[in-house]
Amino acid sequence: GAGVSQSPSNKVTEKGKDVELRCDPISGHTALYWYRQRLGQGLEFLIYFQGNSAPDKSGLPSDRFSAERTGESVSTLTIQRTQQEDSAVYLCASSLDFGANYGYTFGSGTRLTVV
Amino acid sequence: GNSVTQMEGPVTLSEEAFLTINCTYTATGYPSLFWYVQYPGEGLQLLLKATKADDKGSNKGFEATYRKETTSFHLEKGSVQVSDSAVYFCALVTGTASKLTFGTGTRLQVTL
Repeated sequence: GAGVSQSPSNKVTEKGKDVELRCDPISGHTALYWYRQRLGQGLEFLIYFQGNSAPDKSGLPSDRFSAERTGESVSTLTIQRTQQEDSAVYLCASSLDFGANYGYTFGSGTRLTVV
Repeated sequence: GNSVTQMEGPVTLSEEAFLTINCTYTATGYPSLFWYVQYPGEGLQLLLKATKADDKGSNKGFEATYRKETTSFHLEKGSVQVSDSAVYFCALVTGTASKLTFGTGTRLQVTL
């Protein structure tokens, strides 16, 4: 597609429920990244994919968070047993390739509110 | 490890004022440096970048010069407009790391 698409754009869920966030990267982009942006804070790295493998999962906050990617396409970030501190904007970005000189293209994010 | 430090906001300026947003970094290896902008209600967009020392990135009247000696990448614009009101993020990536490391962002508010 023309840009990085994320869905849903907004999600309100009850504490303890599971949620799935979806990211459609730009076609042909092999690298895909998930970040989290809490209110008033900077971007927090969660995980990145090169193709469908995840070489760096170091930012996932707990084992309630997981992500997968199908080939060089869609990625899903799953949060199980959501907690109020999970409330944030979850941003996905894709890049033509892994490496220092490729800028990211970001989606508009999914705003998750846990009540 | 890699880290980025930005000046705290918000920065409030009158239209046509000169803008500087400071950014310094710590990196292993030789980083590429970026400024991203997030307009209200929108996703982050790449504003400009520089990939080696002394490079100057520029776009939409904004400029930033990669200063290796001071490990800085300060964002400047000679005359801001109300439409420049946004949050600006400084970021870096190195060849040894797989991901962009962002600063905490600086909110710019431009008033008439």
